[in-house]
Amino acid sequence: SQKIEQNSEALNIQEGKTATLTCNYTNYSPAYLQWYRQDPGRGPVFLLLIRENEKEKRKERLKVTFDTTLKQSLFHITASQPADSATYLCALFSGGYNKLIFGAGTRLAVHP
Amino acid sequence: ETGVTQTPRHLVMGMTNKKSLKCEQHLGHNAMYWYKQSAKKPLELMFVYSLEERVENNSVPSRFSPECPNSSHLFLHLHTLQPEDSALYLCASSQDYANTEAFFGQGTRLTVV
Repeated sequence: SQKIEQNSEALNIQEGKTATLTCNYTNYSPAYLQWYRQDPGRGPVFLLLIRENEKEKRKERLKVTFDTTLKQSLFHITASQPADSATYLCALFSGGYNKLIFGAGTRLAVHP
Repeated sequence: ETGVTQTPRHLVMGMTNKKSLKCEQHLGHNAMYWYKQSAKKPLELMFVYSLEERVENNSVPSRFSPECPNSSHLFLHLHTLQPEDSALYLCASSQDYANTEAFFGQGTRLTVV
């Protein structure tokens, strides 16, 4: 069966450290993968998109990697801050299904 | 603000009520979406409209009825809902159907009593 898996347990880290979140998928061949941030009671906000032929994408303190062999994307926040605390969602675009499919998200808590 | 506005932000309705959720975007996007988000579950795609035509209906019960009168507005009409329909309902838009980033509204927190 097809699945997108994100760690359901919250990730707690100390301010200033690098946060790494994982998105694994099975039985999809995504054309691209996206990461969103969602704060409580609000809609997701787009952060980064990485295509299947790209290994890595960066935006300020954010970095995303995409390994189509491992079927995994890693999302890194360097020099994390308490304001980075939120739930982070990965979403992949499945050409076969022609739609964007979301994972359940991982909650990140950055402690001062 | 993302450019996608949803109203109301909160809604409490009885199981026999009829209500509507509204979504508006002035980003010039061609595609609009309704998602349902329940606690600890992935976003569930409900409906997709591309150029005002419905292109996706993911086996959603008929008590949910979408309407897209023009490219800027999307409605979700609700009637005879069940308590398990309580969730955050999110509207999104994208430049084209499912191949670019999605812009989400703030959502409507719906409680069915």
